[in-house]
Amino acid sequence: GAVVSQHPSWVICKSGTSVKIECRSLDFQATTMFWYRQFPKQSLMLMATSNEGSKATYEQGVEKDKFLINHASLTLSTLTVTSAHPEDSSFYICSATRGTGKGDNEQFFGPGTRLTVL
Amino acid sequence: QKEVEQNSGPLSVPEGAIASLNCTYSDRGSQSFFWYRQYSGKSPELIMFIYSNGDKEDGRFTAQLNKASQYVSLLIRDSQPSDSATYLCAVNRDGGATNKLIFGTGTLLAVQP
Repeated sequence: GAVVSQHPSWVICKSGTSVKIECRSLDFQATTMFWYRQFPKQSLMLMATSNEGSKATYEQGVEKDKFLINHASLTLSTLTVTSAHPEDSSFYICSATRGTGKGDNEQFFGPGTRLTVL
Repeated sequence: QKEVEQNSGPLSVPEGAIASLNCTYSDRGSQSFFWYRQYSGKSPELIMFIYSNGDKEDGRFTAQLNKASQYVSLLIRDSQPSDSATYLCAVNRDGGATNKLIFGTGTLLAVQP
């Protein structure tokens, strides 16, 4: 159990376009989902925390108007990169927890989405 | 000072040896500690988590936590070439109030056949 999927697995787009990435928990209800970004040879950087039915909480330095997050149900969160530019090219990974939101719950990671902006 | 620090490596060990991976963290209020393995181009997968001081063993893996020294380690016994990957240490933020994790930059492990 505790499988998280992401779609698409990779996407190439032109500069200025918007890209939507979906994150789904397949066999559990995710109370909280997280979105990370990872540049080559760097660690995962948390972008935002998403709770079902409420606004996402963004980390310092992450533009909420550029990275739109919607968590419409307990099994689906979406990240939309608006007006993408080459510097947005990265590996975007979501994770989900099924717990109470306290710090004792494992995060289950999706397989990631590689975004390349030309 | 980084919140979670790891030696980037690469750490090279021969097949069958013990690999020792280390991690230090800055927030004394951290309660939960995780070790993830990440193969190139893939997302992280959880190896172990530890909450209490001392050792926790799971198969070939042993996690060690020393909260007084703000230090957590991962030992891999009988290392195999398939263990070659980047190992990420992650620490719960906010003193356990949330599930947010802070990741280290990872240690690249290379197991030589």
